Amino acid sequence: TQLLEQSPQFLSIQEGENLTVYCNSSSVFSSLQWYRQEPGEGPVLLVTVVTGGEVKKLKRLTFQFGDARKDSSLHITAAQPGDTGLYLCAVQLRGGTSYGKLTFGQGTILTVHP
Amino acid sequence: EAQVTQNPRYLITVTGKKLTVTCSQNMNHEYMSWYRQDPGLGLRQIYYSMNVEVTDKGDVPEGYKVSRKEKRNFPLILESPSPNQTSLYFCASSFGGTIYEQYFGPGTRLTVT
Repeated sequence: TQLLEQSPQFLSIQEGENLTVYCNSSSVFSSLQWYRQEPGEGPVLLVTVVTGGEVKKLKRLTFQFGDARKDSSLHITAAQPGDTGLYLCAVQLRGGTSYGKLTFGQGTILTVHP
Repeated sequence: EAQVTQNPRYLITVTGKKLTVTCSQNMNHEYMSWYRQDPGLGLRQIYYSMNVEVTDKGDVPEGYKVSRKEKRNFPLILESPSPNQTSLYFCASSFGGTIYEQYFGPGTRLTVT
């Protein structure tokens, strides 16, 4: 059983469309991060959210952390081919001494067609 | 340029032949970590290190060893590689733990036959 469930696993859309990617769990997190990975490269951090209900915007990307800190969403407005990539959410579990452990979701592969 | 480097980038080896994948960062980061990436499974943490001489297991440590004798280096050792360790490996570093931005290396693609 995955700690983090990302959906959808695959998403293929046309340029200009909007989309939302979800990251869900039954556990509470102290923080959650979204990464984007392009083929042949390592992931790159997009955002870190730490407060329940928090909304952060990064140009056309909007990130939301659930009120209960168990889930998050990534919304892209007017997608462009440059948004193509693997989107990963990652969490550090709240409490305990495992503050060095980071768990990733299985990822959403996004393809934006021109 | 601030970066995390890994060597080699590609490696094909045979079962049982010990190998080391090196990782080095030039950002004076305290935290370093190793991940493996497999299709459909995302990234899974193998080991991490909060500082020199301080290491701990991630979610999939079996079959791997690490050491942190210097702040900048964090090698991953496979004492007796097996085919199920065929994967894409990433090293990452951050200022002080997982709450901070992690900087990833370019990856090492390992094939064990």
